[in-house]
Amino acid sequence: AQKVTQAQTEISVVEKEDVTLDCVYETRDTTYYLFWYKQPPSGELVFLIRRNSFDEQNEISGRYSWNFQKSTSSFNFTITASQVVDSAVYFCALSEALGDKLIFGTGTRLQVFP
Amino acid sequence: DTEVTQTPKHLVMGMTNKKSLKCEQHMGHRAMYWYKQKAKKPPELMFVYSYEKLSINESVPSRFSPECPNSSLLNLHLHALQPEDSALYLCASSHPLGGNTEAFFGQGTRLTVV
Repeated sequence: AQKVTQAQTEISVVEKEDVTLDCVYETRDTTYYLFWYKQPPSGELVFLIRRNSFDEQNEISGRYSWNFQKSTSSFNFTITASQVVDSAVYFCALSEALGDKLIFGTGTRLQVFP
Repeated sequence: DTEVTQTPKHLVMGMTNKKSLKCEQHMGHRAMYWYKQKAKKPPELMFVYSYEKLSINESVPSRFSPECPNSSLLNLHLHALQPEDSALYLCASSHPLGGNTEAFFGQGTRLTVV
């Protein structure tokens, strides 16, 4: 069975702090895909990144970076120098190679205070 | 243009009403999805359409009836809903190549059943 665990329910930081959101996944598939989405209060789920199981290269995009480690089944997300606009719920998600279903973690609510 | 448009943004309906939620995308995506999201929970898949055909129905009650009139439009017809059906309903679209493409989400319709 597939499962995504985001153990951190809520994180509060002060602006300019770095913050890491954890994501641990379970799957028996050898090919799978991992995603991070941001959900601001407006409700829309904003796509941030997709990572394929066969590509363990870490990625950096501006203040965002992702650390994918198959050995620990983790796909963690770090925001450097956080800003108030980063306040949102962040979801990690997993999907199978041959399927259309996204399996979401329970989400981490990030609050960045000025 | 990565945009999925949902209407209406808010809907209040009685338990005897019939209403429809609408979703539109012009990204050439051939897979479209309905997700339901309760407060402080992750989105849960309801339906998937691939090439205008229903490919996944996650055992959703028949009071929810999806329709895909063409490759750009997705509707969700609502009839005889219950108060517990109150939630944020999210539409998404993607290329139907299994899990290896990201889904883009609309802002959702906040539905309240009274």
